[in-house]
Amino acid sequence: KAGVTQTPRYLIKTRGQQVTLSCSPISGHRSVSWYQQTPGQGLQFLFEYFSETQRNKGNFPGRFSGRQFSNSRSEMNVSTLELGDSALYLCASSLTLSGANVLTFGAGSRLTVL
Amino acid sequence: GENVEQHPSTLSVQEGDSAVIKCTYSDSASNYFPWYKQELGKRPQLIIDIRSNVGEKKDQRIAVTLNKTAKHFSLHITETQPEDSAVYFCAASIAGANSKLTFGKGITLSVRP
Repeated sequence: KAGVTQTPRYLIKTRGQQVTLSCSPISGHRSVSWYQQTPGQGLQFLFEYFSETQRNKGNFPGRFSGRQFSNSRSEMNVSTLELGDSALYLCASSLTLSGANVLTFGAGSRLTVL
Repeated sequence: GENVEQHPSTLSVQEGDSAVIKCTYSDSASNYFPWYKQELGKRPQLIIDIRSNVGEKKDQRIAVTLNKTAKHFSLHITETQPEDSAVYFCAASIAGANSKLTFGKGITLSVRP
C-alpha cells in the first residue's frame, strides 16, 4: 500500500512569506502528526490531528497552524516566515493516536527560508 | 510534560562490537517506549518498542531494556555492522491517553569498518 506522501519535497521562501505543506497519510490511518527536524534538536512536535480535530499541540508560536480534512489528509501552514523556520518538516501517520501506535513517517518537506 | 533525554549525543564503535544507547524520561506515567532509526537522508523508521509491562524485548541483534524505577530505557545493538550507522531516536508516551509521543534529540551512531 502507498506510504505517507508529503508535498512539496523542497521549497525556498523568503522572510515574511507564508507556506503550506501537505501530508497524505496511509489509507486507513486517522492520525497525522507533524514534526520539525533541525540539526541537534531532534524531532520537535508541532501538533497532532485525529478525526479532523487537533488533539495535541507542541510549543511553537501561533504562526504554525494546521488542519485535517475528512479524508485524513493534513496541511500545516507557517505564516510570516523567519530564518529560523528553515528545517525538515516531517509528518507521520498512525492508526489511532500517536502516543500508542507505530508512526509511519513521510519523506519530509525541506523548507529553506532566505 | 514529558522530557526525554538521550546520551551520549554521538557514539562510535568498531564493527562487530556492541553499542548501548541510553534514554531517560521524566514522567513516571509513561508506559510506551519506541526507538526509531533514521539513516542519512531517509525518514525515521520504528525498529523496536517496549511497553512498561515488560522489562526487556529482543529482535535479532537489537534489544531494549526498561528500568521503570530509574526511569530509563536502553537500546542494545550487538555485532554492529556499517549499516547500523544512523541517528537513533528514543521516545516516550502514555499509551491509552490523549498523549503525544515525545522524542529525545537523537544519538548519532557510527560503526567503523
